[in-house]
Order: sequence, then structure tokens, then C-alpha cells
Amino acid sequence: DIVMTQSPDSLAVSLGERATINCKSSQSVLYSSSNKNYLAWYQQKPGQPPKLLIYWASTREYGVPDRFSGSGSGTDFTLTISSLQAEDVAVYYCQQYYSTPLTFGGGTKVEIK
Amino acid sequence: QVQLQESGPGLVKPSQTLSLTCTVSGGSISSGSYYWSWIRQPAGKGLEWIGRVYTSGSTNYNPSLKSRVTISVDTSKNQFSLKLSSVTAADTAVYYCARDRGSQGDYFAYWGQGTLVTVSS
Repeated sequence: DIVMTQSPDSLAVSLGERATINCKSSQSVLYSSSNKNYLAWYQQKPGQPPKLLIYWASTREYGVPDRFSGSGSGTDFTLTISSLQAEDVAVYYCQQYYSTPLTFGGGTKVEIK
Repeated sequence: QVQLQESGPGLVKPSQTLSLTCTVSGGSISSGSYYWSWIRQPAGKGLEWIGRVYTSGSTNYNPSLKSRVTISVDTSKNQFSLKLSSVTAADTAVYYCARDRGSQGDYFAYWGQGTLVTVSS
């Protein structure tokens, strides 16, 4: 199984400031023939299902604000919220879809400082 | 726009079988080439992929649950289902059904709202 490790577990950021979440996979999720990283990011607010934010490590889902961006390759990935808004308070998860079993990181809780 | 809705008993006794159904609307479950998944989340914890069924009926399961899980599709009802046998309190969770984006990637683009299943006598 590919183990996904997120850091930090939680972070508090002032409104308008940058939030950075890290995700590390236990093996590469870069598929060499396509040069694509099989890595997605989700946002989950209390009482709601996760919402897809980013796929292929850096492609923003339709309708997701451009303050959300994904980067990284191979085993190390980052989700950045460039200017934190109140509505961004949530738990964020990374997920690899390179191989089954599909696996998620443990989540990072983002709060307002 | 495809929509998914989970349904089933909210309370299951230990050692019994948990059975849930996901009803798909906004499109036929048999059209396209998609994986239909079940994912669960214990209260206050992270997400665990249980398994998936392909449009053709083939399945993949999480090895950690494989001996107890059956996922199947009923195209006549536009539904797919989850059966988890020999449940214990550790199976108490919110259960989500989800769909990927087919050939464009196995990430979860569509989710149901989730249903809480409690295992208790």
C-alpha cells in the first residue's frame, strides 16, 4: 500500500495570509509514461463530504478559487492557499490514485489565527 | 450532473452484515466507464477507501477489508451496493459513495452526502 503522510496535523493562519500543507507518499505516484502525478487534494467542512480541489497534483477543479494551488512531483506535494479566507476553514486531505488500495493522508485542519 | 445518495440502516448489531445502497441520478450507472466506490470515515478521523465496482461489474477491494466486503452494481435500479459482514464497533463510521472521472482519472469527483452507520447492540 502507498502510505500518504500529511503535515502539519493542524495549522492556524491569519486571514489573508498563506497556508501551506504538505503531503508525502511512501513511493512515487508519478506515472512515467504519462508524466502525470496521480495525486488529488480535497477539502472537507464539518458535516459535508469531501470536495475535490486539485487533481493530477496541480490541476484545479472547475469552480475552485485560484487561491488554491497544488505543486510537487514524485513523492512530495504541497497544497497552498495563497490568501486564506474565512470559508477556507476545513480539513484538507491528499489522496493517491496511482495504485489500489487508494489511500488518503491523515488530514490537515486549517483554522483562523 | 451526476448525484449520489446513500441509504440503509443507521444501526447494525455486532457480528451482523452492514448493507448500504447508493442511488445514482443524473445519468445511467451503466453508461461511460467509471469506478463506483465506497469510502468511510469514523467520527473525527480520516478517510478509508473500502473498494469499488467498475461499470462492467469487476471489483477492487481494500485488502484490509477484503475478506468481509462485497460491492455490486444493479444497473436496472441505477444503484450500487456495499455489504460488510461480521461488523464490530470499529466499523462505526460515516459511509460515502463516490464516483471517479473515468479515463480522466481515478480521483473522486462526485460524492454522496454520506450516511452514519453505528454498530451497537
